[in-house]
Amino acid sequence: GAGVSQTPSNKVTEKGKYVELRCDPISGHTALYWYRQSLGQGPEFLIYFQGTGAADDSGLPNDRFFAVRPEGSVSTLKIQRTERGDSAMYLCASSSGQGYGYTFGSGTRLTVV
Amino acid sequence: QKEVEQDPGPLSVPEGAIVSLNCTYSNSAFQYFMWYRQYSRKGPELLMYTYSSGNKEDGRFTAQVDKSSKYISLFIRDSQPSDSATYLCAKWGDSSYKLIFGSGTRLLVRP
Repeated sequence: GAGVSQTPSNKVTEKGKYVELRCDPISGHTALYWYRQSLGQGPEFLIYFQGTGAADDSGLPNDRFFAVRPEGSVSTLKIQRTERGDSAMYLCASSSGQGYGYTFGSGTRLTVV
Repeated sequence: QKEVEQDPGPLSVPEGAIVSLNCTYSNSAFQYFMWYRQYSRKGPELLMYTYSSGNKEDGRFTAQVDKSSKYISLFIRDSQPSDSATYLCAKWGDSSYKLIFGSGTRLLVRP
């Protein structure tokens, strides 16, 4: 596609529920990234995919968070047993390789009530 | 101390003013710098990418890097109300894929 597409744009869920956030990167971009942005803060790194594999998942806050990219294109960020502290903007980005500036999607705003 | 520090603002200027946005950083590894613009409820948009000390110009925008003092700046000439947004500075962290962002400076350009 022309840009990075994220769905849904907004998600409200109850504490304890499971959520999936989807990212469709720019066609041909091999690198995909997930970031989390809290209000008034800059984005913080969660995970980096090169192709199908997670090359670096050191930013995932705990084992409730998991991400996949099974065919090297679309990625899904999965959050189990959501907590109110998970409320944030979740941003996906892609690039054609390391060392290049990213292109971000518009994000999914997650609210846990 | 955060690896990238940025004054949160808000910064309010009249239309046509020259805007100066600044960041400092602490980690000298991977000194590649980016400026992103983020409108409300949108993702960040890459404005400038630079790694050299000195100035890089793109239209009304100039990115300036001073590696000796670990200081980076973004100047906006002839500012417009449409420039009102949050500006984020960023650099590579401990790798060439993991970006470290400042907390962003909110800019308001008054008509």
